[in-house]
Amino acid sequence: ETGVTQSPTHLIKTRGQQVTLRCSSQSGHNTVSWYQQALGQGPQFIFQYYREEENGRGNFPPRFSGLQFPNYSSELNVNALELDDSALYLCASSLLTGEYTEAFFGQGTRLTVV
Amino acid sequence: KQEVTQIPAALSVPEGENLVLNCSFTDSAIYNLQWFRQDPGKGLTSLLLIQSSQREQTSGRLNASLDKSSGRSTLYIAASQPGDSATYLCAVMNRDDKIIFGKGTRLHILP
Repeated sequence: ETGVTQSPTHLIKTRGQQVTLRCSSQSGHNTVSWYQQALGQGPQFIFQYYREEENGRGNFPPRFSGLQFPNYSSELNVNALELDDSALYLCASSLLTGEYTEAFFGQGTRLTVV
Repeated sequence: KQEVTQIPAALSVPEGENLVLNCSFTDSAIYNLQWFRQDPGKGLTSLLLIQSSQREQTSGRLNASLDKSSGRSTLYIAASQPGDSATYLCAVMNRDDKIIFGKGTRLHILP
């Protein structure tokens, strides 16, 4: 158990719809990162939030957006869903301490777009 | 730009054998390197984390090494068991606190 929880665990959406995924960080962590893992691939970095501000973004279109709340929990929002958005979405929380930073991952949300 | 490569992409070995999984990365300016296990349809399970100042970490039958200067890491699994069958992912944390993953090695232990 990493103390990072994600909800829901699975969901099915229709192409064109919008989806919100949620992540509850480990206690004391001020940073959350989101990753997309397509079938047969390694996880790809989507973006990171540090103290409620975006702190870096990977190669994902603007329809992928996020929020981090004052309690450091986070949401990933995806608009205008496409079939290729079907993937496992992982969040990771961390406390930025320079070289001793360690990220802890949740168990993911499996999104299927039909 | 950091790139992480894992070789081989897939591996099948008989039960009881020792095996080595390889990981290479292009930028040595990292905070740490981590090995994960992933079972089909599941999330990530952290196996070992090696800080940039360390050379190796051990947990049970697993041993991970890090050679930062050459950009290489290995995960050694001793006395493999069918329960070790899974995908193994190598990931490096860059100094901008972002994690870059390899594509994984799919391991199948034959009973």
